[in-house]
Amino acid sequence: DGGITQSPKYLFRKEGQNVTLSCEQNLNHDAMYWYRQDPGQGLRLIYYSQIVNDFQKGDIAEGYSVSREKKESFPLTVTSAQKNPTAFYLCASRGTEADTQYFGPGTRLTVL
Amino acid sequence: QKEVEQNSGPLSVPEGAIASLNCTYSDRGSQSFFWYRQYSGKSPELIMFIYSNGDKEDGRFTAQLNKASQYVSLLIRDSQPSDSATYLCAVKSWGGGNKLTFGTGTQLKVEL
Repeated sequence: DGGITQSPKYLFRKEGQNVTLSCEQNLNHDAMYWYRQDPGQGLRLIYYSQIVNDFQKGDIAEGYSVSREKKESFPLTVTSAQKNPTAFYLCASRGTEADTQYFGPGTRLTVL
Repeated sequence: QKEVEQNSGPLSVPEGAIASLNCTYSDRGSQSFFWYRQYSGKSPELIMFIYSNGDKEDGRFTAQLNKASQYVSLLIRDSQPSDSATYLCAVKSWGGGNKLTFGTGTQLKVEL
């Protein structure tokens, strides 16, 4: 099956901890994106990568880091510097038709 | 600041009626426009995209684009209870990264 997977589905973090969210795709897409969604708000872009070994900050990159060592994988680390990390995190990859973005199932992060 | 505006709703329509969802955007350089459906607790799924002025139909869904008025809409014919969800409008503007700007979404409720 072709698609985007994210793990874990739910993640609980203690204050002061770094956590890494996984995103994998087998769609052979070059570009991948990380968004954050808070209740009542639209999706906000954290980081994006258009090609392996390259990535750019989005609108709310502070407190986050990413890597893109493989085309299929784009993990996101939420660091202790992120002040309000509790949110729904969505990974997307971009297809070729109209540059449409397709989303993974998401990871819900809660800080205890 | 590129903005995408949607009425948060909820928009309530009876089963079988036409639901009309609206979206306005601020960037005249916007190129492509996307409608996503998001069920509660789930990730967004693409309904359709449009990039030319006029109407585009796909099954019960019709997207309408008017670039002069900076307005895009989604019509859902023969609305079903399973259409009850939040509908996100997203806009791709000219520039690096093929980034999307999302509206906050309109909640649709289809009542029996």
